[in-house]
Order: sequence, then C-alpha cells, then structure tokens
Amino acid sequence: DVKVTQSSRYLVKRTGEKVFLECVQDMDHENMFWYRQDPGLGLRLIYFSYDVKMKEKGDIPEGYSVSREKKERFSLILESASTNQTSMYLCASRPPGRRNEQFFGPGTRLTVL
Amino acid sequence: AQSVTQPDIHITVSEGASLELRCNYSYGATPYLFWYVQSPGQGLQLLLKYFSGDTLVQGIKGFEAEFKRSQSSFNLRKPSVHWSDAAEYFCAVGNASGGSYIPTFGRGTSLIVHP
Repeated sequence: DVKVTQSSRYLVKRTGEKVFLECVQDMDHENMFWYRQDPGLGLRLIYFSYDVKMKEKGDIPEGYSVSREKKERFSLILESASTNQTSMYLCASRPPGRRNEQFFGPGTRLTVL
Repeated sequence: AQSVTQPDIHITVSEGASLELRCNYSYGATPYLFWYVQSPGQGLQLLLKYFSGDTLVQGIKGFEAEFKRSQSSFNLRKPSVHWSDAAEYFCAVGNASGGSYIPTFGRGTSLIVHP
C-alpha cells in the first residue's frame, strides 16, 4: 500500500519561529507537493517538486520555502512563522504522468500564536 | 487556465437517500477529472477518476460519476448514503495536453448525513 507520512499531526508554534514540516513517501515517486487547506478555500498549492533538488513555486509560495535532498522526503519550511500561516498543511506524492492520482498524507494542523 | 467550481459548500442528506455532488470545470481540451474524499482529520483519498472512454465511472465505496462534456460537468453520485459518508468532497481537474500537469482542486463540498 502507498504510504505518505507527515512528521506531526498537530503543531503549535510562536510568531517568528522557524518551522519545518516533513513529508516522507515510500513509493519512489518523483513528484511531491505541498498544499495548505483553509475552510472555504479548498487546497492551494504552495510548492511542488519533480525530482530531487528540483522545486517549483505553486500558487501561494510567499513566506514558504522547500527542500528536497532525497527522493522520499519533501520538507516545507516557514522561515518566520506568522499567524496567517495557521492552517492545515497537506503533503502529496505522485508517480510521473498527468493521469496519475496524488497520494495524500494525513495532514499537519499548524497553529501559530 | 483550468478551473473547478463546486457550487455547493454544504449538502445535507438523510441516511439512505440518494446523493449528487456537483462539479463544473473550465478547460479547453479533454480534461483528466478526479473526485477525492477527506474524512475528518484525514488526508484526501481518491474516490474515482476519468481520463477517457466510458463517461460513467465507477469508484470505491459505491460512488460513481458521469462526465458530460456538453455541460462541462463531472457530478458525483451515490444511490444510498451511509452515515460514514459524511466528509468533505473535492473535485479536481488535470491538464490532459501540454502545459503544467498540476491538478486544480475545487473548494470542496461538505456532506452532512442525518440519521
């Protein structure tokens, strides 16, 4: 079975802290994605990666960066967390090709105080 | 650019009743279409997908969806809803030819099931 895991289910951080959200997949997928999910706004793409050390900005990259040093791991970094980054963060992976579905992790609910 | 509209933010049905969740997409060519479900506190799980061929697609958990090109729609249906179907449902459209192949998600429809 496909498995995407995220390092934390719930996280509480303070404004200005540097925050790392980790995502690991065990399917040898090239493509990985980070979304944030907010009520009424659905899923919005933050960053994605086609392969190791490759990254592309999504629709809302401001305030975020990413790291992909190994194929199985895709990290989302909040350099200086702000209260408006309080959200649910979802990681997904996908084998190459347009037809293929994405496999999602359980999500990390981040609260920034 | 592709886009997806789910016109209903919330849908309430009684257990055992039929269900239809609406999804309209905007895309110039033949799209790839997906329906995902998100149970409370969980990630998204694929229910079904359409690429080509038979326009009526069967998925998991007794769901089906019908692609109607003339209406730019891909509505999700279930003949008899169970209480465990209460969840958030997302429609997504993927690019079938050229350009970025990142899917675009709708804003979701929250399904409430009354006993």
